[in-house]
Amino acid sequence: GENVEQHPSTLSVQEGDSAVIKCTYSDSASNYFPWYKQELGKRPQLIIDIRSNVGEKKDQRIAVTLNKTAKHFSLHITETQPEDSAVYFCAVPRGSTLGRLYFGRGTQLTVWP
Amino acid sequence: EPEVTQTPSHQVTQMGQEVILRCVPISNHLYFYWYRQILGQKVEFLVSFYNNEISEKSEIFDDQFSVERPDGSNFTLKIRSTKLEDSAMYFCASDAAGYNQPQHFGDGTRLSIL
Repeated sequence: GENVEQHPSTLSVQEGDSAVIKCTYSDSASNYFPWYKQELGKRPQLIIDIRSNVGEKKDQRIAVTLNKTAKHFSLHITETQPEDSAVYFCAVPRGSTLGRLYFGRGTQLTVWP
Repeated sequence: EPEVTQTPSHQVTQMGQEVILRCVPISNHLYFYWYRQILGQKVEFLVSFYNNEISEKSEIFDDQFSVERPDGSNFTLKIRSTKLEDSAMYFCASDAAGYNQPQHFGDGTRLSIL
């Protein structure tokens, strides 16, 4: 199956700083890359996704960049706020498989006020 | 905004007992999924379901697991004879078209096996 590696496992930043989380994947046929945010005890919530026909997508303070050649994609959060503190998961479908997502191991982001 | 809903939020069951977890996917969605998350670990795929049949299942989804869409709205996961290692958070998800479409997750059911 798809091998998804996510780094770092923990990330602490000061409020207002930027945070970057990176994921690598193995299946070059994958062409959809979502990021989920999960607060403690709650559901994974889709925050942004990107398809392989673009290299970058931005939504206010969050952005995702994709490098299909190198098979990695990154989540960028600018001007971080304490409410950004959560576990962030990247996910990748396996090629043409209908919908099944392979998740990374997650990054615990802590934003200090 | 429509949501995936799951019941119960927490289920405590004795080992060896059967348990049924319930989900109501978003109404116009066609693809349904079950995932599980052991405490502190990543989300793992269990099974996908489309057109009243299983599309794919993982190695976790053994003979003790089954899924069903008993009516037009509910999607259930049954574990026939629960084991201690089945203790986890179980998430239901759905999407509109399966391939490369956003999956939306429910709030999950925390299953505790004693």
